[in-house]
Amino acid sequence: QLQLQESGPGLVKPSETLSLTCTVSGDSISSSNYYWGWIRQPPGKGLEWIGSFYYSGNTYYNPSLRSRVTISVDTSKNQFSLNLNSVTAADTAIHYCVRHPGTGRIDGFEIWGRGTMVTVSS
Amino acid sequence: IVLTQSPGTLSLSPGERATLSCRASQIVSSNYLAWYQQKPGQAPRLLIYGASSRATGIPGRFNGGGSGTDFTLTISRLEPEDFAVYYCQQYGNSYTFGQGTKLEMK
Repeated sequence: QLQLQESGPGLVKPSETLSLTCTVSGDSISSSNYYWGWIRQPPGKGLEWIGSFYYSGNTYYNPSLRSRVTISVDTSKNQFSLNLNSVTAADTAIHYCVRHPGTGRIDGFEIWGRGTMVTVSS
Repeated sequence: IVLTQSPGTLSLSPGERATLSCRASQIVSSNYLAWYQQKPGQAPRLLIYGASSRATGIPGRFNGGGSGTDFTLTISRLEPEDFAVYYCQQYGNSYTFGQGTKLEMK
């Protein structure tokens, strides 16, 4: 059964870097035909796509976050990570990792992790 | 592409029909529009993709429609478990979400 599990610090100081990891079980990132990505949701607010990647292809970022975001992958651990630098209180949010087809008509975010809350505060 | 959902809150009773709207600021390429349901404390769940196709395991009372810039999600007969927040999302040009419609029990 496919599962995604987010992990990382729940508290980050302003101006520092938010770092999260998504551990994938039930599928292999390196041999999958799917894209993997991150979505965030500030408390009580809507959803915002952060970025996605295909293992043997490109990585795509939300233009509004592109200058601060890096998504990377560790195939030996079947994990991928999110780094968001220079954070402010506006980056406080629940962060979800997701799997999606990435192309074509069926490209909805079909599999979600449970999410992890990250608060930016001194 | 900016997606605007209406109404912000919809108050209905079980058994009634719900119609949620999603309007795009420009044409959604190939009607690449999805709908999600989110309950408190849970991750969103994909309901509809391609504007009108139900995702795996989604009950038949959920129906998506529309094209171009105007889309709707209809829930034919509301069940108690349907009361939640619903988001539309387009994937024709990057990925953006609407602000959500809260469906609450009257």
